[in-house]
Amino acid sequence: NAGVTQTPKFQVLKTGQSMTLQCAQDMNHEYMSWYRQDPGMGLRLIHYSVGAGITDQGEVPNGYNVSRSTTEDFPLRLLSAAPSQTSVYFCASSYSLAESYGYTFGSGTRLTVV
Amino acid sequence: TQLLEQSPQFLSIQEGENLTVYCNSSSVFSSLQWYRQEPGEGPVLLVTVVTGGEVKKLKRLTFQFGDARKDSSLHITAAQPGDTGLYLCAGKRTGFQKLVFGTGTRLLVSP
Repeated sequence: NAGVTQTPKFQVLKTGQSMTLQCAQDMNHEYMSWYRQDPGMGLRLIHYSVGAGITDQGEVPNGYNVSRSTTEDFPLRLLSAAPSQTSVYFCASSYSLAESYGYTFGSGTRLTVV
Repeated sequence: TQLLEQSPQFLSIQEGENLTVYCNSSSVFSSLQWYRQEPGEGPVLLVTVVTGGEVKKLKRLTFQFGDARKDSSLHITAAQPGDTGLYLCAGKRTGFQKLVFGTGTRLLVSP
């Protein structure tokens, strides 16, 4: 199994450009989420989904959109990139939200907005 | 305000030494998880603890969940260079679906 696959690995955008970060999982996990990781701030939740067709906002949702049309895919869209969105983005999935289940993370997308 | 505070932030030790990393909060958590992250990769789950006072061992790593379920610790015995990485604690609060992360402890084990 591939687990959680994120593409691209690296991306440089100009301010104002838009792009989509792709995330796919092949583990039939219902729960998927997007985090950003910044130095000294840990991982912060952007958006999450508890199943196909259902999404909700996390801690830092502004400037990002998500959709969940299938169980497998959970893309993250940057509508108009800003330098403050320079970060490393991680997609994660879990079989269940029950307490004993952990998350499987992708290897991340390093985004630089200039 | 960070919900989960980890200490220390950085730790540089020699191979063979023991160490403990702490994860503290003023909130009660229904479960706590520990992850290890290596450069250029995503975090990898090490363990989940769900019962107050619970202790879990994973080879040389010992994880403990506080009795009041507000804190956790990770103890590594006889550290090895392969233990080098960023250690993250993460917790789920009762009634909340989201997993919140601590800021991490960066460990460097030198030969």
